[in-house]
Amino acid sequence: DAGVTQSPTHLIKTRGQQVTLRCSPKSGHDTVSWYQQALGQGPQFIFQYYEEEERQRGNFPDRFSGHQFPNYSSELNVNALLLGDSALYLCASSFGGTQYFGPGTRLLVL
Amino acid sequence: AQSVTQLGSHVSVSEGALVLLRCNYSSSVPPYLFWYVQYPNQGLQLLLKYTSAATLVKGINGFEAEFKKSETSFHLTKPSAHMSDAAEYFCAVSDQGTGGTSYGKLTFGQGTILTVHP
Repeated sequence: DAGVTQSPTHLIKTRGQQVTLRCSPKSGHDTVSWYQQALGQGPQFIFQYYEEEERQRGNFPDRFSGHQFPNYSSELNVNALLLGDSALYLCASSFGGTQYFGPGTRLLVL
Repeated sequence: AQSVTQLGSHVSVSEGALVLLRCNYSSSVPPYLFWYVQYPNQGLQLLLKYTSAATLVKGINGFEAEFKKSETSFHLTKPSAHMSDAAEYFCAVSDQGTGGTSYGKLTFGQGTILTVHP
């Protein structure tokens, strides 16, 4: 049984560009959450998707947006990238309970 | 608002020694508490969780944690450290999410890096 998968594993962008990160949840999971982990910090909650709708949102600007598809997979989009957006982006999936994390996408903004 | 404080950003122990990683939480509602481990360049792996059942929770790899409401603590312990335990450990708190029984967002502590010396 495959766990949570994320793509790409690494990404390099320049300031002002836009980026899309992808997440496939663990089989049977219907909820996807996204987190940003800056270097040396704990993960920070961005938002959570359930039934294709954003259910909860953390303290992140509107430049961060997301989507969940009918197959429960999800995308995280970040517009107008800033240097400070450089981080490890983690996706977690769940089904009414514990969140299980993927390996993350490391984004570097130059 | 919920918060987590992990005392000690770095903990160093000898192989075979007791591991104790400290976590204190703040929550206005009964919390769900978690410990996750992160190995270099990897995602987070769940070690154990407390969800209002037994206060002493056993997890994977010999780790356990005790929920103490009076102290608002959820410290992680392991009787005997192994070299493979070297990693970063995160304590997290969650409330009950919207829509019923699902857990809400996780609020993490800053992490504790565990070093194990031979």
